[in-house]
Amino acid sequence: GEDVEQSLFLSVREGDSSVINCTYTDSSSTYLYWYKQEPGAGLQLLTYIFSNMDMKQDQRLTVLLNKKDKHLSLRIADTQTGDSAIYFCAVSGGSQGNLIFGKGTKLSVKP
Amino acid sequence: GAVVSQHPSRVICKSGTSVKIECRSLDFQATTMFWYRQFPKQSLMLMATSNEGSKATYEQGVEKDKFLINHASLTLSTLTVTSAHPEDSSFYICSARDRVAGGLKQYFGPGTRLTVL
Repeated sequence: GEDVEQSLFLSVREGDSSVINCTYTDSSSTYLYWYKQEPGAGLQLLTYIFSNMDMKQDQRLTVLLNKKDKHLSLRIADTQTGDSAIYFCAVSGGSQGNLIFGKGTKLSVKP
Repeated sequence: GAVVSQHPSRVICKSGTSVKIECRSLDFQATTMFWYRQFPKQSLMLMATSNEGSKATYEQGVEKDKFLINHASLTLSTLTVTSAHPEDSSFYICSARDRVAGGLKQYFGPGTRLTVL
């Protein structure tokens, strides 16, 4: 089945850019997502990208997709302390139409 | 934007009791709702898929008699944890797929923290 991998931790200084990486195995995944989860809370959809796109930018967020390498990244420009959270990469393609999630990357932003 | 609510947000119960969790799509119709479970510092694992008007589809290893799912309408799905035990303690999250958007967007509820003593 589909496997989604992410690094578990990332630490950056406030004002720097953060880049969170994700790899997946199923090339037929049509939609790829980034979700944010703050402590004790549910998941917030940050952005998504179609598999026929290479890049999508939305304010401070830039998503890059390398379909050949099955690599997805999320870049957060001018990272703020409020961006500290766990970021999940997810891809479509579950057998029930569900999403397949990575284990999440914990982003820590230091002042 | 689309909103999915869950109720209750937190529940503590004694071992052996049953707990019902509601998942509602507030401003859209959801033909499909998904129930996930998230253990501490783990990813979300799909438990079951709930389709309106039909029986739920359970993932391998999830007991259908223990986790009862009812998808009564296009805006409501319920998960009942029957005879809960401490190992059922977890964070349960539902998501709803927007019917009009062709299933592109899935919106997640805020989650329910279940603690079984």
